[in-house]
Amino acid sequence: AQSVTQLDSQVPVFEEAPVELRCNYSSSVSVYLFWYVQYPNQGLQLLLKYLSGSTLVKGINGFEAEFNKSQTSFHLRKPSVHISDTAEYFCAVSGKAGGTSYGKLTFGQGTILTVHP
Amino acid sequence: DTAVSQTPKYLVTQMGNDKSIKCEQNLGHDTMYWYKQDSKKFLKIMFSYNNKELIINETVPNRFSPKSPDKAHLNLHINSLELGDSAVYFCASSQERPGVGQPQHFGDGTRLSIL
Repeated sequence: AQSVTQLDSQVPVFEEAPVELRCNYSSSVSVYLFWYVQYPNQGLQLLLKYLSGSTLVKGINGFEAEFNKSQTSFHLRKPSVHISDTAEYFCAVSGKAGGTSYGKLTFGQGTILTVHP
Repeated sequence: DTAVSQTPKYLVTQMGNDKSIKCEQNLGHDTMYWYKQDSKKFLKIMFSYNNKELIINETVPNRFSPKSPDKAHLNLHINSLELGDSAVYFCASSQERPGVGQPQHFGDGTRLSIL
């Protein structure tokens, strides 16, 4: 079984400031990790994913995340945010299975990022 | 050219009614999912189908019955609607391969309100 904890429910930040959204996970098996973004009244859009290899992954809209296996974390960062980044961000994990994982995603509680002018 | 489309977008109905939500994907994916997002925005998987076969069924009441006529469609029928069923229901799809985590593509959601 997996669980995901997003440590901040809300993160307010000023435009052009850097931001970090924190995500920790718990799993008894190796995992794939994802960050999704949800704009108001829309579905979830994939920002980035970690499957294997380099622990620093880059995604869309200037976001990046770093996988830290020892700390079981997958924090999302952006060096300079825009007003348009205001949205809710979800961290998710799925377990790597011996066979097909069928992609069962376990989500965190979400972090609302609000960018102020 | 919507990838994952759900209908209807909004559904307002009375307690005790039966309703269906439809989902279609044109991505050629072989796996489809239903998620429920509650009022606190918490997302939880309900069902997953792979090539029309039920793979995941998370402790969901029997009143919820998914149906996949083909791998591009996954519908959700809900009987005897209750107040607690009010939520946003998301359909998603992915191309699953053994040992490879594929991202899921989500529809825009169906906002179900029970009066």
